[in-house]
Amino acid sequence: QKEVEQDPGPLSVPEGAIVSLNCTYSNSAFQYFMWYRQYSRKGPELLMYTYSSGNKEDGRFTAQVDKSSKYISLFIRDSQPSDSATYLCAMSAGGKLIFGQGTELSVKP
Amino acid sequence: GAVVSQHPSWVICKSGTSVKIECRSLDFQATTMFWYRQFPKQSLMLMATSNEGSKATYEQGVEKDKFLINHASLTLSTLTVTSAHPEDSSFYICSARSSGGTDTQYFGPGTRLTVL
Repeated sequence: QKEVEQDPGPLSVPEGAIVSLNCTYSNSAFQYFMWYRQYSRKGPELLMYTYSSGNKEDGRFTAQVDKSSKYISLFIRDSQPSDSATYLCAMSAGGKLIFGQGTELSVKP
Repeated sequence: GAVVSQHPSWVICKSGTSVKIECRSLDFQATTMFWYRQFPKQSLMLMATSNEGSKATYEQGVEKDKFLINHASLTLSTLTVTSAHPEDSSFYICSARSSGGTDTQYFGPGTRLTVL
């Protein structure tokens, strides 16, 4: 069993839809949770960072962490074609980041 | 803020030659830098962790004599692929973690290496 599980997709939605991306994990020591967006042939770009449990909102993006269920989510509201990318969850207990496999998202105009 | 650059962005070389990739944190000091490798449609694979002024820590299965890492300053780390072979062709990405105390890593734009 992988430490971090993420549905690889691909996920295709129409423009304006609400997108939900999720990861589950097994290591209860994880305290730092991140979401990265990666466009093709580019390095990952940090979208959201959360420490421990709770919600965090930044514009159209909301990150949720539920440590009791070992489950994290990223919501994208009013999705745009420019949101089409691969989304990677990442987490750590201090030190190395452990990444999910990445979810490929396509937002159709 | 938190910008990381990589140079070159792409490189093509002949088998048997060595290639050096530079990673720089432009607006913050990075006590730790990381080197990743990524194959198409796959997630990032950590190769090594580099701390300024000390030897890099390599992940299991990564040949330290083939992938030489130097972290000479708080803003610069280099990865040298020695005696490159076609199977070393990949997308190499560095990241930097600031000395601010969080685990957030900021990634460079990546270097695409093609070995002929």
